[in-house]
Amino acid sequence: QVTLKESGPTLVKPTQTLTLTCTFSGFSLSVSAVGVSWFRQPPGKALEWLALIYWDDDKRYSPSLKTRLTITKDTSKNQVVLTMTNVDPADTATYYCAHRSGYCGRGDTCSSYFDFWGQGTLVTVSS
Amino acid sequence: SSELTQDPAVSVALGQTVRITCQGDSLRDYYASWYQKKPGQAPLLVIYGNDNRPSGIPDRFSGSSSGTTASLTITGAQAEDEADYYCNSRDSSADPLLGTGTTVTVL
Repeated sequence: QVTLKESGPTLVKPTQTLTLTCTFSGFSLSVSAVGVSWFRQPPGKALEWLALIYWDDDKRYSPSLKTRLTITKDTSKNQVVLTMTNVDPADTATYYCAHRSGYCGRGDTCSSYFDFWGQGTLVTVSS
Repeated sequence: SSELTQDPAVSVALGQTVRITCQGDSLRDYYASWYQKKPGQAPLLVIYGNDNRPSGIPDRFSGSSSGTTASLTITGAQAEDEADYYCNSRDSSADPLLGTGTTVTVL
């Protein structure tokens, strides 16, 4: 049974660094093709992809947030950590982590999909 | 372009059929997945690999893809299908792409 759970502060001040942890079970992030991704959804707005880390430590970031995000993994603890620097009230959102699987056809067509999600954690950025 | 565009909102009468579309150049080459998002709940995968339904997803949900458009069809929409729906694929660098989202209202 795959489960993921996000944890971190509920309130962060502007300009601070936000650190979120995704603790998972039921899979290993050392297995080929496995990944963990972060998403967020600001109140009343669309879901947004933030970052993805693969079993081989390949890391991908949203182009619009790339300079502010860092994603890391601790395979021994079954955790993935996302840090976001210099937060702003616009970063107020529910943050989700998700298990990544891949669907592959011929050639280089493998596409990620996210089949298991955490419950989300609401982070408010306010002074 | 590396974008996935969806209509902002669609409505469907209870029991009728609704199709939600997702447009983007990357869909010509890569697979689409679809997620249902209800307020206060985590996203739920309803379709992956264009037309595959995960275990536990009702068969009224189906997916297809042609050219630069992927579609999610709900045949016989139920009240509980009222939600936001997002498509997902990838760009040429294998980075995930997320659609703009469609709000489905069941009348």
